[in-house]
Amino acid sequence: AQSVAQPEDQVNVAEGNPLTVKCTYSVSGNPYLFWYVQYPNRGLQFLLKYITGDNLVKGSYGFEAEFNKSQTSFHLKKPSALVSDSALYFCAVRASGGSYIPTFGRGTSLIVHP
Amino acid sequence: NAGVTQTPKFRILKIGQSMTLQCTQDMNHNYMYWYRQDPGMGLKLIYYSVGAGITDKGEVPNGYNVSRSTTEDFPLRLELAAPSQTSVYFCASSYEGGRTDTQYFGPGTRLTVL
Repeated sequence: AQSVAQPEDQVNVAEGNPLTVKCTYSVSGNPYLFWYVQYPNRGLQFLLKYITGDNLVKGSYGFEAEFNKSQTSFHLKKPSALVSDSALYFCAVRASGGSYIPTFGRGTSLIVHP
Repeated sequence: NAGVTQTPKFRILKIGQSMTLQCTQDMNHNYMYWYRQDPGMGLKLIYYSVGAGITDKGEVPNGYNVSRSTTEDFPLRLELAAPSQTSVYFCASSYEGGRTDTQYFGPGTRLTVL
């Protein structure tokens, strides 16, 4: 079975400060990892993914994520937060083989204060 | 491309009524999914389809039915609406097989059962 944990329901950060949204996972075999963002009253939008290769993945809107196999983590980061980054962020995982169906975390609400 | 479209955007049902949530994608994706999103609970997979004529249950299929007669369309049917089905429903699609890809989400349908 595969699972994702997002340990923080909410993350608060001041505009201009770096932000981190945490994600840990459990999966059999090699993971495919994803981050999605949901703005109010909208569907989820893809931000970035890790499949293989470089552990640091760069995505949309200046976000990046670091894959750490030993810690089974895939934390989302941004060097300088914007108020417009305030949204709900979801981490997802699936195994590299077998079912293509991902499992989503419960989501983390990011609030960036002016 | 319109991507993934869903109708209706909002709907209020009485207990015991039935309805169909429509979902269409124009990206020729083979996989399609239905999720429900409840506050603080993340996304729960209801049903998915790996191609026309092939569907399978997800995590929370009870009270729902699906069909997939074409690549483009994946309607979700609620037969006897119950208050527990009050939620926001998202349809998604992806191309899988031979390479991994991301999910594209529709804008959602907000359903209230009274």
